[in-house]
Amino acid sequence: NAGVTQTPKFQVLKTGQSMTLQCAQDMNHEYMSWYRQDPGMGLRLIHYSVGAGITDQGEVPNGYNVSRSTTEDFPLRLLSAAPSQTSVYFCASSYKRGTEAFFGQGTRLTVV
Amino acid sequence: GENVEQHPSTLSVQEGDSAVIKCTYSDSASNYFPWYKQELGKGPQLIIDIRSNVGEKKDQRIAVTLNKTAKHFSLHITETQPEDSAVYFCAALALHGARDTGNQFYFGTGTSLTVIP
Repeated sequence: NAGVTQTPKFQVLKTGQSMTLQCAQDMNHEYMSWYRQDPGMGLRLIHYSVGAGITDQGEVPNGYNVSRSTTEDFPLRLLSAAPSQTSVYFCASSYKRGTEAFFGQGTRLTVV
Repeated sequence: GENVEQHPSTLSVQEGDSAVIKCTYSDSASNYFPWYKQELGKGPQLIIDIRSNVGEKKDQRIAVTLNKTAKHFSLHITETQPEDSAVYFCAALALHGARDTGNQFYFGTGTSLTVIP
């Protein structure tokens, strides 16, 4: 069982470039989320999904897009990268509300 | 929205001593409080959780206490070991509501625990 798989692990982007962070889970979880982790700020929710075809904004959604065409995949798109998006990004999935969130290993993104 | 505060930000203890990390929350609707441990280079992993109908929960050397009136909850690690060294995050979630807002956890800012052998 792979759990939650994120790719890539590391990425460097130039300001203005776009890219997609991939997230896949093999636990048949309905709930998936994207968080960013910044020093001294904990984890903040970017976008989340409660099932295929359903997405919504979290606390810090600006500059990011998501889609959920399948139960397994929940990609995060950076439309036009900015230095303020330098962070570590985590994808998480859960069976249902109020249950354990399983996190991926993270993607460390640097925007120069 | 919810605001979760966590203290201290760093904590060093001698091996075998106890460690306590405290969190407060602002939204009285929050009723699920998990604790996550994050080791270097890895994603957070759940170590224990508590729901608002319970005041305390234990799992071997780890315990969590909840005071809903005061809106604070704490993580207690007894007989600390070097492998307990990690960053610990508390979180809060409101389980009930008409709209399914998924697992929108609000996390604290983390406590870096170092256990000195």
